[in-house]
Amino acid sequence: NAGVTQTPKFRILKIGQSMTLQCAQDMNHNYMYWYRQDPGMGLKLIYYSVGAGITDKGEVPNGYNVSRSTTEDFPLRLELAAPSQTSVYFCASRWSGGNSGNTIYFGEGSWLTVV
Amino acid sequence: GQQVMQIPQYQHVQEGEDFTTYCNSSTTLSNIQWYKQRPGGHPVFLIQLVKSGEVKKQKRLTFQFGEAKKNSSLHITATQTTDVGTYFCAGPNSNTGKLIFGQGTTLQVKP
Repeated sequence: NAGVTQTPKFRILKIGQSMTLQCAQDMNHNYMYWYRQDPGMGLKLIYYSVGAGITDKGEVPNGYNVSRSTTEDFPLRLELAAPSQTSVYFCASRWSGGNSGNTIYFGEGSWLTVV
Repeated sequence: GQQVMQIPQYQHVQEGEDFTTYCNSSTTLSNIQWYKQRPGGHPVFLIQLVKSGEVKKQKRLTFQFGEAKKNSSLHITATQTTDVGTYFCAGPNSNTGKLIFGQGTTLQVKP
């Protein structure tokens, strides 16, 4: 299994541009998450999904959109990029079945700079 | 909404000293998880605690889950330079599927 795969790894955007961060997992996990991590800070939940066709807002959803058309893919869309969106973005997934299935697996991160 | 707080935010220790980080949730948790993130890396799962009062050990790491299932701690005995990184606790919301992380405790170990 490849686990959780994120692309791109690095990206520089100009203010006002849009882009999509791709995330795919091959573990048949039902739950998927997008977090952002500012330098020296913790993980803030942007959006999450409990299954295909279902998405919900996290702690910091403004300026972002997501979709979950398949179990495997959970892209994160940035519309009208702003400097405040400069951050490292982590996609993650887990299987929700029972207490033993709560381990969350992270992608390697996408470093985004908005200038 | 649910909040997960961790203290301290930073800790510098001399190699060989012990280290403890504490995690407190505003709500009762069904379980709590701990993750480690090395500098420049992504968080990696360490352990999950489920039962009230549970204690688990991984070599020099000891994890505890409080009796009320609202707090937890991670204790490292005799730190090594390989322990450097940020340690996060995370509390899942069993109703919504949300997984909220604490702010993390960054550990620096001086050789």
